[in-house]
Amino acid sequence: DVKVTQSSRYLVKRTGEKVFLECVQDMDHENMFWYRQDPGLGLRLIYFSYDVKMKEKGDIPEGYSVSREKKERFSLILESASTNQTSMYLCASRTPQGRSYGYTFGSGTRLTVV
Amino acid sequence: LAKTTQPISMDSYEGQEVNITCSHNNIATNDYITWYQQFPSQGPRFIIQGYKTKVTNEVASLFIPADRKSSTLSLPRVSLSDTAVYYCLVGDGSGGYNKLIFGAGTRLAVHP
Repeated sequence: DVKVTQSSRYLVKRTGEKVFLECVQDMDHENMFWYRQDPGLGLRLIYFSYDVKMKEKGDIPEGYSVSREKKERFSLILESASTNQTSMYLCASRTPQGRSYGYTFGSGTRLTVV
Repeated sequence: LAKTTQPISMDSYEGQEVNITCSHNNIATNDYITWYQQFPSQGPRFIIQGYKTKVTNEVASLFIPADRKSSTLSLPRVSLSDTAVYYCLVGDGSGGYNKLIFGAGTRLAVHP
């Protein structure tokens, strides 16, 4: 089974801090994604990457950046954390080969910015 | 990307069959329909995917009419552990740089 591992389940950071959320997948997937999930809003796509060093903005990229230096690792960076970035962050990966059998998600990182 | 509409919430009882319908009027020719399940404090989990007619696996069945403008996820004989949020998504399943858009999902509550 594909495993997507997010480095932290819970994080508490202060306003203005630079925050790194790490995600690692073990199945050589080309595509990786970062979502945030908020009550009543579902999952919203922040950024995605279709290959190493490639990235594309999702629907809500403001205040975030990403890094994909190696195929297995996709990092989400909050340059200067703000309280409105308190949320559940979910990483996912998939391979674009042929018919899709869906994404595999990590367990999520619940970030609180105080 | 096609938008989906599904009920906000549903209630059921243990042992019953649950059908959750999703409408996707603007589905494109090469879009697949995919359903995910999410438990609290976990990431969504893939359940089933289909393109047309009927697909069945060990967890659920997916019914897709000929016009593909809707689909129905069927969960046979639900148990308390099926209480979760269920998401219906459409997207290009043929690979490439696609991305899936999640809506608010359907919150299923299974009662004893």
